[in-house]
Amino acid sequence: AQKVTQAQTEISVVEKEDVTLDCVYETRDTTYYLFWYKQPPSGELVFLIRRNSFDEQNEISGRYSWNFQKSTSSFNFTITASQVVDSAVYFCALSSRSGYSTLTFGKGTMLLVSP
Amino acid sequence: GAVVSQHPSRVICKSGTSVKIECRSLDFQATTMFWYRQFPKQSLMLMATSNEGSKATYEQGVEKDKFLINHASLTLSTLTVTSAHPEDSSFYICSARAGGHYEQYFGPGTRLTVT
Repeated sequence: AQKVTQAQTEISVVEKEDVTLDCVYETRDTTYYLFWYKQPPSGELVFLIRRNSFDEQNEISGRYSWNFQKSTSSFNFTITASQVVDSAVYFCALSSRSGYSTLTFGKGTMLLVSP
Repeated sequence: GAVVSQHPSRVICKSGTSVKIECRSLDFQATTMFWYRQFPKQSLMLMATSNEGSKATYEQGVEKDKFLINHASLTLSTLTVTSAHPEDSSFYICSARAGGHYEQYFGPGTRLTVT
């Protein structure tokens, strides 16, 4: 079985603060994919990143960065210099063959950025 | 990028009636489509997976006679909520995946309210 844990239910920060969203996953597969999605109040899921299990390079995209560590089964997401528009629910998700290549979502972390 | 549409975006229906939600892949052929349900402040829960031309595979606990899924073409899947009740009120999201690919592309969601 595969599982994704996002222990932080809600995080509140003030604009310009950096914030890290945690994601811990479980899977028995050696090949798998990890994802981060953003869900603003409108409800539409916005794809942020996909990472496969063989690529442990950390990635930076503008104010976003991701830290993938297989040793701790974690795929954390950092927003630098947060903005009010970053307020949303962020989901971490996992896809692997033992899960029939379906997406297993974490419970999500609600990020509130206040001015 | 790949675009998935859903129609309607919002629907209100009376208890006991049926409602159909459409999910279309606009610029690619979706061999597999997924239907998710999301209750307020909760994560996305996979309801069923459908492959074009085949019967849908439902997740445990999802009533196949209540949630009818049809994936008759490579660009269209429909979810019909039969004899809807207030507890079926939820946000329904579809996603689509092209054959041989890992990526799922999400629709904007349909908010169903049963009165």
